[in-house]
Amino acid sequence: AQSVTQLDSHVSVSEGTPVLLRCNYSSSYSPSLFWYVQHPNKGLQLLLKYTSAATLVKGINGFEAEFKKSETSFHLTKPSAHMSDAAEYFCVVSLSGYSTLTFGKGTMLLVSP
Amino acid sequence: DTEVTQTPKHLVMGMTNKKSLKCEQHMGHRAMYWYKQKAKKPPELMFVYSYEKLSINESVPSRFSPECPNSSLLNLHLHALQPEDSALYLCASSQIGSYEQYFGPGTRLTVT
Repeated sequence: AQSVTQLDSHVSVSEGTPVLLRCNYSSSYSPSLFWYVQHPNKGLQLLLKYTSAATLVKGINGFEAEFKKSETSFHLTKPSAHMSDAAEYFCVVSLSGYSTLTFGKGTMLLVSP
Repeated sequence: DTEVTQTPKHLVMGMTNKKSLKCEQHMGHRAMYWYKQKAKKPPELMFVYSYEKLSINESVPSRFSPECPNSSLLNLHLHALQPEDSALYLCASSQIGSYEQYFGPGTRLTVT
């Protein structure tokens, strides 16, 4: 079985400060891990993905995430938040060889001026 | 073209109506998906099509009827829906066996 836990339902930051969205996963096999972003009333956009290559993954819009097997974590970071980053973020896991996705419950990122 | 399109963007229907949602992609993907997303919740998988054949049905009520007429199109036929079916319906596609799914913008459905 596989599961994903997003540790914070809401994260609030000020514009220009760092962002940290936390994600822990549970998987019996080698997982593939993703972060998706969803702006209000929009579909999901893939930010970045980990598929057993480099453990530090760079994505779009300055986001990156580090796969830490020992901690079963895949936290999302960005050095400096922008107002346009305000959205819902989903951490997602997929078992190797299967295309179905298991979503975390989401973290709402709020960015204040 | 890395886009998944969905029509309509918004749909309001009564409980006795029949309507259809449409999804289209031209990326050559042979796996297509329907998800349902309630407010402030993650998407829930409804159906998966592989090579135009239904491969996964996540115990979805029969008032939702999917159809995949060709490799680029995916429909979701709706009949006798309930108010609790109001949600954002998302379509996605991927290469077979790939974990990377491309999502459309969704159809916001309201059942009155």
